[in-house]
Amino acid sequence: SQKIEQNSEALNIQEGKTATLTCNYTNYSPAYLQWYRQDPGRGPVFLLLIRENEKEKRKERLKVTFDTTLKQSLFHITASQPADSATYLCALLNNAGNMLTFGGGTRLMVKP
Amino acid sequence: DAGITQSPRHKVTETGTPVTLRCHQTENHRYMYWYRQDPGHGLRLIHYSYGVKDTDKGEVSDGYSVSRSKTEDFLLTLESATSSQTSVYFCAISSQGTPYEQYFGPGTRLTVT
Repeated sequence: SQKIEQNSEALNIQEGKTATLTCNYTNYSPAYLQWYRQDPGRGPVFLLLIRENEKEKRKERLKVTFDTTLKQSLFHITASQPADSATYLCALLNNAGNMLTFGGGTRLMVKP
Repeated sequence: DAGITQSPRHKVTETGTPVTLRCHQTENHRYMYWYRQDPGHGLRLIHYSYGVKDTDKGEVSDGYSVSRSKTEDFLLTLESATSSQTSVYFCAISSQGTPYEQYFGPGTRLTVT
């Protein structure tokens, strides 16, 4: 069956360190992958989109990698800050190409 | 929230009653989506629209219907609410459609008792 796996356990890191979040998927062949941030009680906010022919994409302190062989995307936040504390969701284009399918998200806690 | 409002923001209703949630956008985006978010399931697509009067089913469409009579409004109706439809509902919009970025509204928390 198709599955998107994000670590359901919270990731706790110290301010200034690099946070790395993982999105693994099975039985998908996504041409596109996206990452969103969600704060408690609010809707998700789009961060980055990466295509299957792009290995890496950067935006300010954010970096996303996309390995279609490993079926994995890594999301990095460098020089993390307490304000980066949130839940981060990955989303894949489904095989039919008509909808995004979201992972359950990983909660990041950055401690001062 | 990218010019998207949802109403109501909170609602408690009884099993068997019809419920309509409204999504309103001021961005003039062509594509609109309704998702539900539940613990352990993440965000799941209910229905989407790719233009006025053009809609299609998503992953979890049973028990839901939608209508889009104007570009700016996308309505989600629960024909006869059930306790399994207790959830947080999010509307999203996109200028280019799937697979491109989507912008989400603030959500509606619905409780069916």
